[in-house]
Amino acid sequence: DAGVIQSPRHEVTEMGQEVTLRCKPISGHNSLFWYRQTMMRGLELLIYFNNNVPIDDSGMPEDRFSAKMPNASFSTLKIQPSEPRDSAVYFCASSWGLSPDTQYFGPGTRLTVL
Amino acid sequence: AQTVTQSQPEMSVQEAETVTLSCTYDTSESDYYLFWYKQPPSRQMILVIRQEAYKQQNATENRFSVNFQKAAKSFSLKISDSQLGDAAMYFCAYRTTSGTYKYIFGTGTRLKVLA
Repeated sequence: DAGVIQSPRHEVTEMGQEVTLRCKPISGHNSLFWYRQTMMRGLELLIYFNNNVPIDDSGMPEDRFSAKMPNASFSTLKIQPSEPRDSAVYFCASSWGLSPDTQYFGPGTRLTVL
Repeated sequence: AQTVTQSQPEMSVQEAETVTLSCTYDTSESDYYLFWYKQPPSRQMILVIRQEAYKQQNATENRFSVNFQKAAKSFSLKISDSQLGDAAMYFCAYRTTSGTYKYIFGTGTRLKVLA
């Protein structure tokens, strides 16, 4: 298995632009998590899905952030409009129902908003 | 709200020696899970060890063991016989048992292993 796939690996954009981050979980996994990592705040859970349904989005910073999971093999995290304080590494992770704590993380997307 | 605190931003250990990473947490719940995750330079997170709060026995996984002090809300990780491959960021994390998989992470401790 290729593991969790995230794209792009690096994204540089200007303030006010829309940013879309993509994630393909491991086939067969039914939970998907989006995290944000910064030096100041560490690793924060933004939202997680179970069986394609958003279960907890209380970590989403504000309305500029939205996430979707249209099917079991694809998810997006969108920021519109982006701001410099959104600069971070965004991770996607997936896990399987019987072992939810064994999350498989993707390599992350490093986002820089100028 | 639950919080997880790691007060050591960085630690160093000599190869083959033992090191302990600290973690404290705050919660009003009586049952929960605690974890230590490892993040190597590749940035992918690896589950190192898991502790269930209702179990008094400390979890152990090979060279990794925890000291779980429920009353003190402390959850430290001990790495014995440190190896160069142990160098990484280590995150302490908390999860409730109430049916949600919402994880709360500490800010991490960077472990350096000196040859």
